[in-house]
Amino acid sequence: DADVTQTPRNRITKTGKRIMLECSQTKGHDRMYWYRQDPGLGLRLIYYSFDVKDINKGEISDGYSVSRQAQAKFSLSLESAIPNQTALYFCATSPLGANQPQHFGDGTRLSIL
Amino acid sequence: AQKITQTQPGMFVQEKEAVTLDCTYDTSDPSYGLFWYKQPSSGEMIFLIYQGSYDQQNATEGRYSLNFQKARKSANLVISASQLGDSAMYFCAMSLNTDKLIFGTGTRLQVFP
Repeated sequence: DADVTQTPRNRITKTGKRIMLECSQTKGHDRMYWYRQDPGLGLRLIYYSFDVKDINKGEISDGYSVSRQAQAKFSLSLESAIPNQTALYFCATSPLGANQPQHFGDGTRLSIL
Repeated sequence: AQKITQTQPGMFVQEKEAVTLDCTYDTSDPSYGLFWYKQPSSGEMIFLIYQGSYDQQNATEGRYSLNFQKARKSANLVISASQLGDSAMYFCAMSLNTDKLIFGTGTRLQVFP
């Protein structure tokens, strides 16, 4: 089983719909992150959480919200999806400590029509 | 401003040859980490190698090595004895004390027989 699991792996939906992407991890890491990847732009940070009660905005948080339900679970919501949110979304985790490598899930391909 | 620059959109290398993927970074923070990730066509992000800013020696992991030149602010990835399975996108990333990763735009490597 994957250490960092994202569901769904693929999703096609319509403009205006509410969407939730889920991430769960078995690595026991405290830190969790959500990124989006667009062609030619690399990965950009949406939100991150260093603890269950800690939520921080990243570079591109507008239009997104997150929930850290437990140490192992971190979900990303699009309250009212728009076409320019079509992208590949990644969840990642890392342990405590400075400059630790992040471990990524397999990604969720989201298409908004 | 903190930034990662990958100037090679695409690289070609023949099987069994070595290849260097360039990465330069910009930060005034003395403590940082540099990472390389591989993204095959299947989409997942695979951690390859890490170099800390205070590390005296260049990092190595199997066929991967990181040519760290601190004064030049470069952290080039060297892949020795390229294999067909090395064909992928490669991303350089930097973390600062906050442990958020800043990614470059990536280099697409193609290995040919």
